[in-house]
Amino acid sequence: DVKVTQSSRYLVKRTGEKVFLECVQDMDHENMFWYRQDPGLGLRLIYFSYDVKMKEKGDIPEGYSVSREKKERFSLILESASTNQTSMYLCASSFGGFRTHEQYFGPGTRLTVT
Amino acid sequence: AQTVTQSQPEMSVQEAETVTLSCTYDTSESDYYLFWYKQPPSRQMILVIRQEAYKQQNATENRFSVNFQKAAKSFSLKISDSQLGDAAMYFCAYRSRGYGGATNKLIFGTGTLLAVQP
Repeated sequence: DVKVTQSSRYLVKRTGEKVFLECVQDMDHENMFWYRQDPGLGLRLIYFSYDVKMKEKGDIPEGYSVSREKKERFSLILESASTNQTSMYLCASSFGGFRTHEQYFGPGTRLTVT
Repeated sequence: AQTVTQSQPEMSVQEAETVTLSCTYDTSESDYYLFWYKQPPSRQMILVIRQEAYKQQNATENRFSVNFQKAAKSFSLKISDSQLGDAAMYFCAYRSRGYGGATNKLIFGTGTLLAVQP
């Protein structure tokens, strides 16, 4: 079974802190994604990566950055957390190219910024 | 840009009954994929069913089936013989068929919260 894990299920941070959310997948997937989930807004793509050290902005990249130093790991960074970044963050991964189209999701990290 | 619309924020169904969740989308592309994902309370999002736009036959996975109307840009999910374990948030999603880059990303609707009454 594909496994996507995220470093924390729940996280509470203070405004202005630097926050790291980690995601690891064990299926040798080329693509990895970070989404933000908010009630009434669905899932919105923050950033994605289609290869090591490669990244592309999604629909809402402002206030976030990412890092992918190894194929299996994709980190989301909040350089200076703000209260409007309180949300559920979901990581996903998939094969690249035409091989498959299914994204596999992690359990999510519920981040609260106070 | 493509958009996905789920007009039913919440729905309810009696156990063993059938329910249909609606999804419409907008795109100028002719070839793409459509998905229904299920997110149970406090659990991971999983794929329920997938439809490839070039296939006219509606996809089916056990009790789950879709009604894909390409001309109308409609992609509804039918759950037959509903079970308590079907209670979840359901998301409709769209993906372009192209290769690489932004075509890899999913575009999600806002979700429909399904309650199953015993």
